[in-house]
Amino acid sequence: QVQLVQSGAEVKKPGASVKVSCKASGYTFTSYGISWVRQAPGQGLEWMGWLSAYNGNTNYAQKLQGRVTMTTDTSTSTAYMELRSLTSDDTAVYYCARRILADASDIWGQGTMVTVSS
Amino acid sequence: SYELTQPPSVSVSPGQTASITCSGDKLGDKYACWYQQKPGQSPVLVIYQDTKRPSGIPERFSGSNSGNTATLTISGTQAMDEADYYCQAWDTNTVVFGGGTKLTVL
Repeated sequence: QVQLVQSGAEVKKPGASVKVSCKASGYTFTSYGISWVRQAPGQGLEWMGWLSAYNGNTNYAQKLQGRVTMTTDTSTSTAYMELRSLTSDDTAVYYCARRILADASDIWGQGTMVTVSS
Repeated sequence: SYELTQPPSVSVSPGQTASITCSGDKLGDKYACWYQQKPGQSPVLVIYQDTKRPSGIPERFSGSNSGNTATLTISGTQAMDEADYYCQAWDTNTVVFGGGTKLTVL
């Protein structure tokens, strides 16, 4: 079946970086984009950006420009999201999702909890 | 920056119709979609391109979008529909989410 499986929970210190992976299966990876969305504890959804698995083009949320990098490895059908210079405000569950028509996301990963704490 | 506004909470009795609104400037000129999220779970797409239901989503979920408001309607609401609902739209290369609405089925 179509699914996205993300890497496990991370605990990082302020100022560090985190890299979350998202492995796709059950569909042609390069036919869809991957969106990244995060959700701070008890808060709503926040769009981080998306990338094309076909050509690697990216579109990042303005507030994260310069701190986030999204990449893919088409040989393993895996997408990655790296966030640098972490602060406590980056503590959240990070989701990857398959991007379909009109920027909707129809398949979501299980989420990766990233905790930033000294 | 573009904003989408949702009511924080909506209550409905089992079997009745629930309507959740999402307001934004000229939202009807854009495509809206809706997600359902239950506690501790990933979001689930229930409506995309204003009115379309993904495979596996019950027919009781429907959507509309006109003017400044998109609406998610749940007909014959069931206890299992109790969840947070988020609207989403795209504006100037940015995806925007509404703040979310907690649907309570009393």
